[in-house]
Amino acid sequence: NAGVTQTPKFQVLKTGQSMTLQCAQDMNHEYMSWYRQDPGMGLRLIHYSVGAGITDQGEVPNGYNVSRSTTEDFPLRLLSAAPSQTSVYFCASSYIIRWGRGTEAFFGQGTRLTVV
Amino acid sequence: EDKVVQSPLSLVVHEGDTVTLNCSYEVTNFRSLLWYKQEKKAPTFLFMLTSSGIEKKSGRLSSILDKKELFSILNITATQTGDSAVYLCAGANTGNQFYFGTGTSLTVIP
Repeated sequence: NAGVTQTPKFQVLKTGQSMTLQCAQDMNHEYMSWYRQDPGMGLRLIHYSVGAGITDQGEVPNGYNVSRSTTEDFPLRLLSAAPSQTSVYFCASSYIIRWGRGTEAFFGQGTRLTVV
Repeated sequence: EDKVVQSPLSLVVHEGDTVTLNCSYEVTNFRSLLWYKQEKKAPTFLFMLTSSGIEKKSGRLSSILDKKELFSILNITATQTGDSAVYLCAGANTGNQFYFGTGTSLTVIP
């Protein structure tokens, strides 16, 4: 019963390096999203996807790239890491419920990223 | 602009106390209000509320939504040290977007 799996759990990058945070879910959820969590800022949406081949920007998309080639996977790419991207990153997924009460989001365990 | 505001930011109580956490929201095309508990890792789901005035209850935790006043509360009775966590409130719209508050950090002292 894997749910939402994020890798790696921890990462240290040097300024200017690039990397990809992986996210995979096995619940056949259409909706997937990436958040960053900073002290005093709550969870802020970076990018999201409503299905394979469809992505869109959230509240804080600059410096990040995403793609959704399959329903299961939604990787987040940092193009050129900056110290301001030091944060905890969460991937989340959910069904898209078009009618009725909606559904909750399921979260991965998070990736703690430090950019030095 | 869609936003969710939680209060207080932090709270320290003794075991056995009852606490009330507050959440106000402004979410266009609002569908539901969600509460999560976060203990140093991934947020875990507690409640989803869609109708005003109907209390959701799970053990010592309960929550209610007021869609007229755009407000929700989370109550925890007879608090225990295991309740220490950050409690997150989120408003969801009909497009499946979730808007999170900054959270309330609860510390329960033995």
